Amino acid sequence: AQKITQTQPGMFVQEKEAVTLDCTYDTSDPSYGLFWYKQPSSGEMIFLIYQGSYDQQNATEGRYSLNFQKARKSANLVISASQLGDSAMYFCAMRDYGGSQGNLIFGKGTKLSVKP
Amino acid sequence: DSGVTQTPKHLITATGQRVTLRCSPRSGDLSVYWYQQSLDQGLQFLIQYYNGEERAKGNILERFSAQQFPDLHSELNLSSLELGDSALYFCASARTSGGGETQYFGPGTRLLVL
Repeated sequence: AQKITQTQPGMFVQEKEAVTLDCTYDTSDPSYGLFWYKQPSSGEMIFLIYQGSYDQQNATEGRYSLNFQKARKSANLVISASQLGDSAMYFCAMRDYGGSQGNLIFGKGTKLSVKP
Repeated sequence: DSGVTQTPKHLITATGQRVTLRCSPRSGDLSVYWYQQSLDQGLQFLIQYYNGEERAKGNILERFSAQQFPDLHSELNLSSLELGDSALYFCASARTSGGGETQYFGPGTRLLVL
């Protein structure tokens, strides 16, 4: 069965420093996608970054990058130069391409707090 | 702004009642997903529609139902509400139901059942 594990319930980072949020996944499907979403205290879910299982390079989107290690089944999110506005919950999610269902499977999330 | 709209933003109702949550997907998106976020269960997939037809079901209770209309907006109906149905309900939309398609989430409807 598909599973996403985020082992860090909460993390602190100093403003302007980089931070890595951990995500490991489990799937038997060779084709899948990994996603990260940000949920600020206001509640909306904001898409950050996507990595496909066959992508050769790690995905990057501005200050966000995804450290994809396929053999270890990990897809860590790296946020560079943290800003106060980065304080939020961060969710890692996965979708199997071969599955009959197209939904995302989410981890429990990591609460990131950026200190000034 | 993701381009996905959900109404209402907040809903307070009593046990036993029925409510309808509405979602309008991004322009051009054919696929709509409904998710429930609660403190104890986290984010759970409820149901997916694609171009008006039900495509997949997740952990959706029998008291809940949904539909997608010809204009592609979707409604989630929750009936015989219980205290445990209090949660944040999201809809998300995607261009197709393909594997690599990013799902864009609406702002959510926060339901409180008293």
